[in-house]
Amino acid sequence: QVQLVESGGGVVQPGRSLRLSCAASGFTFSSYAMHWVRQAPGKGLEWVAVIADDGRDKKVADSVKGRFTISRDNSKNTLYLQMNSLRAEDTTLYYCARDVSAPANYYFDYWGQGTLVTVSS
Amino acid sequence: EIVLTQSPAILSLSPGERATLSCRASQSVSRYLVWYQQKPGQAPRLLIYDASNRATGIPARFSGSGSGTDFTLTISSLEPEDFAVYYCQQRSNWPKITFGQGTRLEIK
Repeated sequence: QVQLVESGGGVVQPGRSLRLSCAASGFTFSSYAMHWVRQAPGKGLEWVAVIADDGRDKKVADSVKGRFTISRDNSKNTLYLQMNSLRAEDTTLYYCARDVSAPANYYFDYWGQGTLVTVSS
Repeated sequence: EIVLTQSPAILSLSPGERATLSCRASQSVSRYLVWYQQKPGQAPRLLIYDASNRATGIPARFSGSGSGTDFTLTISSLEPEDFAVYYCQQRSNWPKITFGQGTRLEIK
């Protein structure tokens, strides 16, 4: 069955960096676009970034542009989110989500359980 | 940015009743509207895509309708497991996709 398992979250000081990972299994990872979506505790959902199945095309939300980078390693079935210059408003739960296909259709049929990032001094 | 406004914020109903949830877009999204269900401590679950298409494994009591700026998610007869938060999402303006703020469906 499809599984997405995020890791790498934690407590980090403002201005520092963190890299999230999402290990995928149960499907052909290299055949799907992948996304990061975040959700502040008790709040709504915010799309963060997308990467094409082959990793060549990437897009990020304006709120994280210039600070966050999405990448993937299809040989390791793993998705990444490199987060630099972290701010308090980046404190939230980060989900890895599978697009329904490739090229991206921008909606999601499988989600991980999320990894919590807390930015605090 | 396309803003999605969901109403009501909270809907209190009893099992067996019919639920009608609304999602209104600030500009037309054609039929590129998606619905998710989220239970406490869980990730969202895809219910409906492109306004009216049920995702794989979703019971027939869930249905979606609408186009342009006004959309509805209907649950024909509520089961105990349907009480959750429901989000709409537009994918018309990709990559600037946006979500509604959610409707909490609670047991009356």
